[in-house]
Amino acid sequence: DIQMTQSPSSLSASVGDRVSITCQASQDIRNYLNWYQQKPGKAPKLLIYDGANLEKGVPSRFSASGSATDFTFTISSLQPEDIATYYCQQYDNVPLTFGGGTTVEIK
Amino acid sequence: EEQLLESGGGLVQPGGSLRLSCAASGFTFSNYAMSWVRQAPGKGLEWVSGIIATGGSIKYADSAKGRFTISRAKNTLYLQMNSLRAEDAAIYYCAKHGESHFYSKMDVWGQGTPVTVSS
Repeated sequence: DIQMTQSPSSLSASVGDRVSITCQASQDIRNYLNWYQQKPGKAPKLLIYDGANLEKGVPSRFSASGSATDFTFTISSLQPEDIATYYCQQYDNVPLTFGGGTTVEIK
Repeated sequence: EEQLLESGGGLVQPGGSLRLSCAASGFTFSNYAMSWVRQAPGKGLEWVSGIIATGGSIKYADSAKGRFTISRAKNTLYLQMNSLRAEDAAIYYCAKHGESHFYSKMDVWGQGTPVTVSS
């Protein structure tokens, strides 16, 4: 199985800050990576697919990059509504696997 | 609007069975792969099982093999869960893939249905 390692597991930042999360795959997954946002008590929501493509309707302050084993997710200017847990997920191979999640809080 | 609505969760004793359903609307169900993803209390997301658009290929996580069965019919996705264990307790989400196969984004999610396994 492909292991996905996210870091940090949590972070605290101020409104307007630039926030970055990394995701490392245990083997080359090309660009077959998605990023999801999950707010407390809610279902996950797709933000980024195919490594770097913004899903329709998602604000442009969210972005992502990377390929092979190393990926980065960025919020360019943190907003109060971005408080959530973020997950990366690979779809290069089955079983599909998720990172452990990064919880983003406001400082 | 594309929507998924899960049902069938509840309290079941260890060793018991439960059948989850996921009703799809707002898109052509037969064109897309579907998956079940679960989340244990306070934990992360775990993919459980997936089925391609035609139903011709089905995959399971090791934790589900031999106990869970995914199926699809008309506009509904199912997950038959047998021999349930305490560690199967979670919120179960169904998710639509963006393509007819598993190797794609999961772009629509249901609200989830909770499963509790306890005596």
